[in-house]
Amino acid sequence: EAGVAQSPRYKIIEKRQSVAFWCNPISGHATLYWYQQILGQGPKLLIQFQNNGVVDDSQLPKDRFSAERLKGVDSTLKIQPAKLEDSAVYLCASSWTGTEYGYTFGSGTRLTVV
Amino acid sequence: TQLLEQSPQFLSIQEGENLTVYCNSSSVFSSLQWYRQEPGEGPVLLVTVVTGGEVKKLKRLTFQFGDARKDSSLHITAAQPGDTGLYLCAGDSNYQLIWGAGTKLIIKP
Repeated sequence: EAGVAQSPRYKIIEKRQSVAFWCNPISGHATLYWYQQILGQGPKLLIQFQNNGVVDDSQLPKDRFSAERLKGVDSTLKIQPAKLEDSAVYLCASSWTGTEYGYTFGSGTRLTVV
Repeated sequence: TQLLEQSPQFLSIQEGENLTVYCNSSSVFSSLQWYRQEPGEGPVLLVTVVTGGEVKKLKRLTFQFGDARKDSSLHITAAQPGDTGLYLCAGDSNYQLIWGAGTKLIIKP
């Protein structure tokens, strides 16, 4: 089966600019996650969708980050305006409902804010 | 706040040696997953352990879930350069994954 697709792979922007990331999950996976991973650390959950509804966005900095999954399939994550501390890898993952089968991750987008 | 602590944070050994990495918490998890992440890629699921005391083997990798389902270990026998990567554990708590910070493993030829 095709994996989780993410684009772009790399992005360099200046602080205060905006950026958007795209994710297409594995077909049939109801749950989609966006994670932020800072170098040398484990992933930090930003937002979890179940179909097109938000399940958990408690760690999403809502003053600058937004995400949507309008049709319950692909998703976009936006940052506006970006800060230096947003430099990280943004990972998208999908799973069947629940966690027992594990998550399938995309390759991520490496964001550098200068 | 639930935490998963992984140790060591960093390990560099020679090819052929054995090693063990640990994942510890004061919380009970319904299951625990181990992932390996290579540079420039997302984490890849290696195994899920569910039952307290469970042991699973994946070729040279042996995973154990503690009896109380609060901790886990990963043992690698005769490590190879291809085992190099970041090893992450993640505990399932109320259908959400709690992630450790990872163990960065380097196997030198």
